[in-house]
Amino acid sequence: GAVVSQHPSRVICKSGTSVKIECRSLDFQATTMFWYRQFPKQSLMLMATSNEGSKATYEQGVEKDKFLINHASLTLSTLTVTSAHPEDSSFYICSAPGGGSYEQYFGPGTRLTVT
Amino acid sequence: GENVEQHPSTLSVQEGDSAVIKCTYSDSASNYFPWYKQELGKRPQLIIDIRSNVGEKKDQRIAVTLNKTAKHFSLHITETQPEDSAVYFCAASIGGSARQLTFGSGTQLTVLP
Repeated sequence: GAVVSQHPSRVICKSGTSVKIECRSLDFQATTMFWYRQFPKQSLMLMATSNEGSKATYEQGVEKDKFLINHASLTLSTLTVTSAHPEDSSFYICSAPGGGSYEQYFGPGTRLTVT
Repeated sequence: GENVEQHPSTLSVQEGDSAVIKCTYSDSASNYFPWYKQELGKRPQLIIDIRSNVGEKKDQRIAVTLNKTAKHFSLHITETQPEDSAVYFCAASIGGSARQLTFGSGTQLTVLP
C-alpha cells in the first residue's frame, strides 16, 4: 500500500519556540493531506486540510496563525507550530487519501513535547 | 458537520470470546466507514472498512455491519486473542476527493488471557 512518512518522530522544544513537522507521501502524489492532533487517551481530531498550491482549510477553533501549513508540492506538507506552549504538547498525525480508493494512509505521527 | 459517537469506551473480554463495538453517525451523506486499531504511540491501522452500498463485510475474525437507516455501524471481533488488545476507533467520511474522516472517541479493548 501507499506509504506516508513524518519527520521528526519525536521533538522536544522550549516554550515560545517554533517547530516544523514534515509529512511526505513516498510513492504517490497527494493534492490533499490532513493534519490531526491526538491528546493522551483521546481521539484523533482534525486540525486542518492541506491543499497543494492553495491555502489550508482549518477546523473551527484551530488558530491558523499558530499552526502554519504549507503544501508546496504534491508529496510534501508541513505543519509549523509557532510560539509553542506546553498545551500544544500532543501527538500530531498526518494522512493522505490514496488515489482510486477511499482509504487514507497515515503517517507514523510526531510526538511534540513543549517544556 | 459529521458527529460520530462510539460505545463502549472500555471493553474487557476473556480470550476466545467475542467483542462488539458500536458507532452512530449523524450525516446521512457519509458513505465510508473504516475501523482502525491503534497501539500506544503508533499510527492508526486500518483493520476493516465498509461502504454504504453494502450491509456487512467480513475478514476472518473481524466483521463490520452497517445500518444506513439507523445510521449506525458495528465492529465484531470473534475468537479474541490477547494481541487484539488496543484502542479501536470508528470513523466516517463522505467519499470523494476530500475524504475527511471524523473519528469516534475510541474503545480500549482488553483481552484477558
